[in-house]
This record gives sequence, C-alpha cells and structure tokens, in this order.
Amino acid sequence: DAKTTQPPSMDCAEGRAANLPCNHSTISGNEYVYWYRQIHSQGPQYIIHGLKNNETNEMASLIITEDRKSSTLILPHATLRDTAVYYCIVRVLNTGTASKLTFGTGTRLQVTL
Amino acid sequence: NAGVTQTPKFQVLKTGQSMTLQCAQDMNHNSMYWYRQDPGMGLRLIYYSASEGTTDKGEVPNGYNVSRLNKREFSLRLESAAPSQTSVYFCASSEQGQGSDQPQHFGDGTRLSIL
Repeated sequence: DAKTTQPPSMDCAEGRAANLPCNHSTISGNEYVYWYRQIHSQGPQYIIHGLKNNETNEMASLIITEDRKSSTLILPHATLRDTAVYYCIVRVLNTGTASKLTFGTGTRLQVTL
Repeated sequence: NAGVTQTPKFQVLKTGQSMTLQCAQDMNHNSMYWYRQDPGMGLRLIYYSASEGTTDKGEVPNGYNVSRLNKREFSLRLESAAPSQTSVYFCASSEQGQGSDQPQHFGDGTRLSIL
C-alpha cells in the first residue's frame, strides 16, 4: 500500500472550514484514499473514502487531485467536537477479503473558539 | 445495535500472566481485526480474520494468539504477558466489499498495563 504524508498538527477556528491535506505521490491506480479520525481515547471512526472522484457525505468532503497524488479532507464547519487525530490511508481494493489498514501518525487537528 | 464491544475496558497484569481480550460485533460482518496503539503512534495490525474459520498474521503478531469463535466473536490472547505489550488494544470489524471497499468499525479499546 502507498505511503502517505500528513502535517503533524493543524489549528482551525470553530465555524471555519478545516482543510486537512494528504500527500500520496506513489498511489497506484487501484488504491483508494480513506480518512479516519480518532477522538481522544476512543476507537478510530470512519469518515469518508474515494478512488478518483470527489466525494461528500454528512461528515465531510474529500477532494482528490486529478493526478491522484494528493487529497484534502474538508470539514465545512468545524466544531470543538471535531478536535481529533485525522488519518489518511491509501490501500488496494480487495473484494471478498479483509480490508487491512495501515495507520501512520496522522494530523492532530485542534479546533479553537 | 451496539456495534463493536470490547471487554474488559481496563486491565493490569503482572509479567508472565495470561489474559484473553474479548471482542464481539453485532453487524453481521465477515471480517474482524485486532490492532494495538502505543502512545503517540498510529494503530498497528496484530491479527485479522477475513471470515469465520480463518485467521492471519498482521504487522506485529509475535506474543499473541487469536480465535475466531464464531462470526460475531474474535478474541486475542496473551499467553505470557510482557511489559512491551502495554498498550491500548482495538478490535474492529468490516463487511467484505463487492466492487467497493467497506470501512472498518472500531470498538472503544482495552487499556492494558503490564507491570
């Protein structure tokens, strides 16, 4: 699975959009981009994933560049409850088998008043 | 619908003691996973079970054994605990995707300290 690079920490004011970048320059054509987050002391929580098209759900939007070498997770209106470590993970689609994940150290997002 | 349930939530062991961490999911998922997370680090995969009756090693399997008891339950055993196994242990489950990958759902973790 491709390696990812994320900034170790970011700050965001409450109510503003939080834009979390991720570089995955060695991504292969069949690898998906996943985002999870981990709020202090809890298990990781799935946010969103995509292959090459931009994706949006009730939690966030995922923007993947045309060359797929980087992506950005957007939390449109960050709240204090969004303070967490955010993990960007890329992995090969394995239909019919277990979906193993490789976690890096992620980006620690601090949302402030 | 509880999702993924892990027991116990906290445990302190002495070096050399054995212990089994329990995990159960009620989402009818085929695949289950055990991870460990050390302070300031991301999660690392210990073992996983793609489906009932199968188990495979992950990134850091040494010192651990697993049992996929049935589709719902996946246990992790430390036969002879060592201080290096002090960590937070997370269990997760996922459906096997058909054409699109399926996300993992995590429990709240077991905090294990080995003295």
